[in-house]
Amino acid sequence: KAGVTQTPRYLIKTRGQQVTLSCSPISGHRSVSWYQQTPGQGLQFLFEYFSETQRNKGNFPGRFSGRQFSNSRSEMNVSTLELGDSALYLCASSLLAGDEQYFGPGTRLTVT
Amino acid sequence: LAKTTQPISMDSYEGQEVNITCSHNNIATNDYITWYQQFPSQGPRFIIQGYKTKVTNEVASLFIPADRKSSTLSLPRVSLSDTAVYYCLVGGFSGGYNKLIFGAGTRLAVHP
Repeated sequence: KAGVTQTPRYLIKTRGQQVTLSCSPISGHRSVSWYQQTPGQGLQFLFEYFSETQRNKGNFPGRFSGRQFSNSRSEMNVSTLELGDSALYLCASSLLAGDEQYFGPGTRLTVT
Repeated sequence: LAKTTQPISMDSYEGQEVNITCSHNNIATNDYITWYQQFPSQGPRFIIQGYKTKVTNEVASLFIPADRKSSTLSLPRVSLSDTAVYYCLVGGFSGGYNKLIFGAGTRLAVHP
């Protein structure tokens, strides 16, 4: 079956703009989590959605938000972009909480 | 969630067995131990998960002593394609939610 897909794969934005990233989980998976990966901070958990509800949130400012749709697809939004938001944003899905998580290829965001 | 400590880097040669040890002194009773592998510019990939004793799958073995305060990922007969970053995670099932806490990982370099 198809894996986790993320769009776009690459994105360049300027400071102050906002961006929306999209994630399509594996068919049948209901849990979607988002992570940010930077060389300095490594992989950090952003938030998790299950059945359209945010169930857990990492330690990120309110500029980072997300949502999940009824078909389990998820989007994350970053407003008022800062240079430090440049990172690889990864989405992971699992059937249920606690199951093995499958990661997508990520979206590489560059903020100039 | 329990913090993990693992070596920053390791070197090996093709055909050798590689053992990466992870320390997790504060592991909770209901925590599982999971290992992920990540190649550059890709999302992490699940390798193996265990709770206690030994778990083996087609790619690796996971050894967990009785006190569960550490674990060892064993990769038999590594090849150049095993060069990657390996993450040890504890928990992943915190109160029914998905929240993977990644450490710095171990950068494994396999040489010809």
